[in-house]
Amino acid sequence: KNQVEQSPQSLIILEGKNCTLQCNYTVSPFSNLRWYKQDTGRGPVSLTIMTFSENTKSNGRYTATLDADTKQSSLHITASQLSDSASYICVVSSTGGGNKLTFGTGTQLKVEL
Amino acid sequence: GAGVSQSPSNKVTEKGKDVELRCDPISGHTALYWYRQRLGQGLEFLIYFQGNSAPDKSGLPSDRFSAERTGESVSTLTIQRTQQEDSAVYLCASSFKRQGEFFGPGTRLTVL
Repeated sequence: KNQVEQSPQSLIILEGKNCTLQCNYTVSPFSNLRWYKQDTGRGPVSLTIMTFSENTKSNGRYTATLDADTKQSSLHITASQLSDSASYICVVSSTGGGNKLTFGTGTQLKVEL
Repeated sequence: GAGVSQSPSNKVTEKGKDVELRCDPISGHTALYWYRQRLGQGLEFLIYFQGNSAPDKSGLPSDRFSAERTGESVSTLTIQRTQQEDSAVYLCASSFKRQGEFFGPGTRLTVL
């Protein structure tokens, strides 16, 4: 069964600090992995998309890594800001795209002063 | 508009009533998806439209749920005889090829 597991479930950090969110998946065959940011009451917004051959991808203060051998990904947030408070969702796409997306349940990040 | 829009933003209905949710995808996006997100849970796939191909309805939870899309434009998700367990945020997303999905703001459905 295709699964995406994220950790931690929730995280509280001080503004300015860095943090790393983890994603492990068992989706096969693998196509790509996406990280989304979902603010409360809003739809998810794409941060990064990585294919099998990509090990790292950055989007501003967000850097995602992918190890396709161990089926693990991480999202590193640098110099956190209050506006980073949101749910971060790892999504894995199986070959063929379309509806074959498996969603993690997300990591709820709260950035405090 | 520049993004995916959904209406209404909030819908409160009584158990047993029918509801219709609307999604306007980004112009030119051939793929359209409907997802359901219950409180505190991950997104649950409902249905997928790709161009003029037959939709993938494998995620619809029961025959009370149906969706339509005319060509590559607006889509409507209809829930008949709503139940309290249908309460959730219904998210629509559209994409072009494999460039990633763009999500709408969602419709929050509350069934009393």
